[in-house]
Amino acid sequence: QSALTQPASVSGSPGQSITISCTGTASDVAIYNLVSWYQHHPGKAPKLMIYQFIKRPSGVSNRFSGSKSGNTASLTISELQAEDEADYYCYSYAGGDLFVFGTGTKVTVL
Amino acid sequence: QVQLVQSGAEVKKPGASVKVSCKASGYTFTNNDINWVRQATGQGLEWMGWMNPKSGNTGYAQKFQGRVSMTRNKSITTAYMELSSLRSEDTAVYYCARGNDGSSDYWGQGTLVTVSS
Repeated sequence: QSALTQPASVSGSPGQSITISCTGTASDVAIYNLVSWYQHHPGKAPKLMIYQFIKRPSGVSNRFSGSKSGNTASLTISELQAEDEADYYCYSYAGGDLFVFGTGTKVTVL
Repeated sequence: QVQLVQSGAEVKKPGASVKVSCKASGYTFTNNDINWVRQATGQGLEWMGWMNPKSGNTGYAQKFQGRVSMTRNKSITTAYMELSSLRSEDTAVYYCARGNDGSSDYWGQGTLVTVSS
């Protein structure tokens, strides 16, 4: 049960778009429609941003969108804002009643 | 509104056990799993396991098998996570979260557990 692979850091200027990748395997991301994304500001509880690859919970900005291709899920943040600076984690069902997080990506707004 | 309220910070000695509680309100407790997640200092989020409040069934990450126990008391809508044989590497913030459609949609505020001699 290995962690999903994310880039350690991604940065962008205000107003730009960035994309964070989350690479799994044929045993998790590729075959289950259960990838979600979380925003985590230090000292606060994580916040659900995307679930089931592409769905957005009520109250989450439509600047956040998700997608999937093969064994890779992606989170795109458009019109980047200072408040988007945080750590982001993907999370997937891995079969056998087990789940796994990604390694995490630090997003910096330049 | 859905709320998960966790117990306060703990300081434990190596080898001891810790039990963190998670009081749920604002929804039917038995309708959703409770997930437990931790974050050690400077590390990422780590999934520990889940517990179904209705049946009591559990599923644990391999890393914690034999050392973790997730239980509940339905009468007071509270979930518990107990971790035994604590070592310094278990120093972390522990979160409970409500499971929903394969995600965790509501989270507790976190409980800092410090393991130190």
